[in-house]
Amino acid sequence: EPEVTQTPSHQVTQMGQEVILRCVPISNHLYFYWYRQILGQKVEFLVSFYNNEISEKSEIFDDQFSVERPDGSNFTLKIRSTKLEDSAMYFCASRVKQGSTEAFFGQGTRLTVV
Amino acid sequence: AQSVTQLDSQVPVFEEAPVELRCNYSSSVSVYLFWYVQYPNQGLQLLLKYLSGSTLVESINGFEAEFNKSQTSFHLRKPSVHISDTAEYFCAVIQGGSEKLVFGKGTKLTVNP
Repeated sequence: EPEVTQTPSHQVTQMGQEVILRCVPISNHLYFYWYRQILGQKVEFLVSFYNNEISEKSEIFDDQFSVERPDGSNFTLKIRSTKLEDSAMYFCASRVKQGSTEAFFGQGTRLTVV
Repeated sequence: AQSVTQLDSQVPVFEEAPVELRCNYSSSVSVYLFWYVQYPNQGLQLLLKYLSGSTLVESINGFEAEFNKSQTSFHLRKPSVHISDTAEYFCAVIQGGSEKLVFGKGTKLTVNP
């Protein structure tokens, strides 16, 4: 069964460092997403990406964050100059088309900023 | 802005007992509703969804949820739970025209023998 894969499963980084979280969406999907879940809090939408550009983003997704689909298979989330409050579980998701179809989620990357 | 409320953060039950996990959302204008489940150390998996049509939707493992527009609710139920149902359950909403899923805080269901 096709699935969304995320690497690494756990990333520890020092405050101020840049991190790149990687995702391989399901191959025929066209819409890609990043969500995050700070420990004990809700899963929050960060950004959606379609046709090589951001289609929607939340207020959380500021200039510190960027997304890229560098090679047609990977979908990355870059966090520049990480802060302690960026520590969270980051989920990648993909969807075949907009609207009512299911979003498939990866297993998440736990980011710990120390 | 759309919001989702899951009133119960933890629900402990005994095996074979019925369970209801509650979910309320803030707006009923053109919404799609979902329940996702997260088993320990795994990602989010879609359990069931309401898009349109029959207000009662069912999953393959015995869960069901009913869309109640007047009460803006989408509660999840199972008549008899198994230990393997132990997981965290998230209610989520997409509002028409938006890309994003808005999640509730989740309910941890623990099924005890």
